[in-house]
Amino acid sequence: GAVVSQHPSWVICKSGTSVKIECRSLDFQATTMFWYRQFPKQSLMLMATSNEGSKATYEQGVEKDKFLINHASLTLSTLTVTSAHPEDSSFYICSARGQGRDTGELFFGEGSRLTVL
Amino acid sequence: GQNIDQPTEMTATEGAIVQINCTYQTSGFNGLFWYQQHAGEAPTFLSYNVLDGLEEKGRFSSFLSRSKGYSYLLLKELQMKDSASYLCAAMDSNYQLIWGAGTKLIIKP
Repeated sequence: GAVVSQHPSWVICKSGTSVKIECRSLDFQATTMFWYRQFPKQSLMLMATSNEGSKATYEQGVEKDKFLINHASLTLSTLTVTSAHPEDSSFYICSARGQGRDTGELFFGEGSRLTVL
Repeated sequence: GQNIDQPTEMTATEGAIVQINCTYQTSGFNGLFWYQQHAGEAPTFLSYNVLDGLEEKGRFSSFLSRSKGYSYLLLKELQMKDSASYLCAAMDSNYQLIWGAGTKLIIKP
């Protein structure tokens, strides 16, 4: 199956700093990538959809200036949490859907656990 | 509105069979997915149904009834490693996934 790699797996940062999370599709070209946030014991919450070469589409209630998404190539999307605060502590997961994948199956990265002190 | 319902938690015995139900309401429909998620890890794909009926894949089977907006995931010969959350997700007409909150499955010896 297709492989999506996410980095870093764990990150601890001080309040007010920015954190960048990378999501790479290793063996296929991902025209669309999705960023999710998941709080403990809750379901995945879609934050935004990023399409290669265009601006990301953010879900209602997600601050685009706080969660910067860049999808500069067909294999890489990045999520930057700017001026992070303790309430941003969460599990962030990316997923990708490649070209020509009719089923729409999503391939998930390993997830990144962010702790803001 | 769009909605996915599945039980919050289920308990079963090792070696037994368990069925996890999911009902959905979406704007259009392009398939129903089941994912397994172990604690602290990302979800992994289990199955995809777009036509009515049962799809069998080893110990896991998934069923879909489009007319009833209903699906279930059937797990046979349960093993301790099957303890995880099982997420049901329906794809709407815009090919967006609508996620359920997940069913935490606890397997007891």
